[in-house]
Amino acid sequence: RKEVEQDPGPFNVPEGATVAFNCTYSNSASQSFFWYRQDCRKEPKLLMSVYSSGNEDGRFTAQLNRASQYISLLIRDSKLSDSATYLCVVNINTQAGTALIFGKGTTLSVSS
Amino acid sequence: DAGVTQSPTHLIKTRGQQVTLRCSPKSGHDTVSWYQQALGQGPQFIFQYYEEEERQRGNFPDRFSGHQFPNYSSELNVNALLLGDSALYLCASSKSSGSYYTGELFFGEGSRLTVL
Repeated sequence: RKEVEQDPGPFNVPEGATVAFNCTYSNSASQSFFWYRQDCRKEPKLLMSVYSSGNEDGRFTAQLNRASQYISLLIRDSKLSDSATYLCVVNINTQAGTALIFGKGTTLSVSS
Repeated sequence: DAGVTQSPTHLIKTRGQQVTLRCSPKSGHDTVSWYQQALGQGPQFIFQYYEEEERQRGNFPDRFSGHQFPNYSSELNVNALLLGDSALYLCASSKSSGSYYTGELFFGEGSRLTVL
């Protein structure tokens, strides 16, 4: 089983739509969770962290369910500029330190 | 303030050759992680360097090795190149902060390696 699995894409939605991405992770010891965004042929950039209580940043809402090892990202009122690949990211901890593991990514295409 | 810089941006090698990729972290960052991103895939963790030592390693063969220098810059070396090594190699820097991890990795634009 992969450490981080995401919905297969692509998601093609019209402007103004609400879209949700799901992600599951296999390491129950993971403590930190994030969504990164990667534009075409660009480097990934942090979109938002995901907290246990759920958190919102403008049109973006992230949820975490530790019992189910499930993470979600909801985008409301989609804009053309939201078109990108969204990467689910979890940390892995060992005695040596911590590192971030990325999912395969889900591609979103917003059209007018 | 310069961000993460990588070199070269593009390179072409043939099977069996060796390659060295370079990374300078963001100012103030002391930890460097390397990722391989194949087309259509997410970044795959190769390894992480801190205090000039490999601290974490992903599921990559020993052909992949690295180094971190006292100024925190880093190199990724790949020996005996295979066609499957063709990918975008991303360097990401962060600041070690003990057990608390902010999750913000700053990535360079990557080095795109093509193996023929």
